[in-house]
Amino acid sequence: ETGVTQSPTHLIKTRGQQVTLRCSSQSGHNTVSWYQQALGQGPQFIFQYYREEENGRGNFPPRFSGLQFPNYSSELNVNALELDDSALYLCASSFSQAESLQETQYFGPGTRLLVL
Amino acid sequence: AQSVTQLDSQVPVFEEAPVELRCNYSSSVSVYLFWYVQYPNQGLQLLLKYLSGSTLVKGINGFEAEFNKSQTSFHLRKPSVHISDTAEYFCAVSSINDYKLSFGAGTTVTVRA
Repeated sequence: ETGVTQSPTHLIKTRGQQVTLRCSSQSGHNTVSWYQQALGQGPQFIFQYYREEENGRGNFPPRFSGLQFPNYSSELNVNALELDDSALYLCASSFSQAESLQETQYFGPGTRLLVL
Repeated sequence: AQSVTQLDSQVPVFEEAPVELRCNYSSSVSVYLFWYVQYPNQGLQLLLKYLSGSTLVKGINGFEAEFNKSQTSFHLRKPSVHISDTAEYFCAVSSINDYKLSFGAGTTVTVRA
């Protein structure tokens, strides 16, 4: 069984640039959630994708957007990067029987983004 | 909405000693509770979860946690720690009708020989 994988592992960008982070979900999972973990803090929920549709969003501005593909992999896109976007971005996958019937989330290793 | 408070930001402990990490949550609805561990420069690994049933939950690596609904707590315990248990531990909560995990700020456990 393949676990959750994320790419790249590290990334350096400058303020104002755009970035795309990628996540491959665990085998058999159909739901992907994204979290932002700033240094020294717990992860904060960004949004979730189920059946290629956004299925809930946390308190993040619209410049944070995402996609889910038919193979259940996902992308997180961040436009107009700000210094405060520097963080570890975690992807978690799970299996959902329906939008609100979801099983445990399993996390990938994360992508560490540094914005200069 | 749910929230989590981890009462200890740092817990130093000697090898083979017991450890308890405290977690309190706030929610107006029924919840699911989780403990995750994060080793340096890695993602989150699920230690254990409470969904329903017995309030004493056993997880991996000898950890266990007890759900106390009246005190809205979900404290994590291990009777004897190893050096390899040095890590950041996160308590998380979700409502039973919501998939969003709300995490605490984390507790850093440092195990010394």
